[in-house]
Amino acid sequence: AQKITQTQPGMFVQEKEAVTLDCTYDTSDPSYGLFWYKQPSSGEMIFLIYQGSYDQQNATEGRYSLNFQKARKSANLVISASQLGDSAMYFCAMRFLTDSWGKLQFGAGTQVVVTP
Amino acid sequence: NAGVTQTPKFQVLKTGQSMTLQCAQDMNHNSMYWYRQDPGMGLRLIYYSASEGTTDKGEVPNGYNVSRLNKREFSLRLESAAPSQTSVYFCASSEGDRVGETQYFGPGTRLLVL
Repeated sequence: AQKITQTQPGMFVQEKEAVTLDCTYDTSDPSYGLFWYKQPSSGEMIFLIYQGSYDQQNATEGRYSLNFQKARKSANLVISASQLGDSAMYFCAMRFLTDSWGKLQFGAGTQVVVTP
Repeated sequence: NAGVTQTPKFQVLKTGQSMTLQCAQDMNHNSMYWYRQDPGMGLRLIYYSASEGTTDKGEVPNGYNVSRLNKREFSLRLESAAPSQTSVYFCASSEGDRVGETQYFGPGTRLLVL
């Protein structure tokens, strides 16, 4: 069975600093997709960035980048130059080849608070 | 484009009442999903529709039914609400159901069952 772990329940970061959010996973599937979502206090789920298991280069999207270490089964999200609006819950989510439901499996999330 | 829309935003039900949560997407996506989010448990898949005319059960389908009315709309029905169904419900859609397809979420429906 696949498992997604986010070990940091919460963290504080100062404005303009970078923050790294950890995500590790356990799977024997050769093919999978890894996604990060942001959930602000207003409740909506906002897609941030995607990394495929066969992608050679780490994904980047504006201030978001993925530190993808396939051998370690790790895909950490890096947010550069944090802004107050980055305060939110962040979820690591994955889709697996052998999962016939097409569902996203989610980690428990990391609450990020950006301070002035 | 509105993306994925859901109605209602909030709902309070009494135990045993029924209701339908509506979801629509304007991205011409083939696949649609219903999730529930409970505190400390992340999101869990209730039902899934790979394409118009097909639906499949997810992890937690008990107490729910769905209808894929057309390509745009996917509704979730609670026939007899129970307090355990108090949750936030999210509808999502994706172009297809392949591993690399991104799912886009609606704003959610907060449901309280008394």
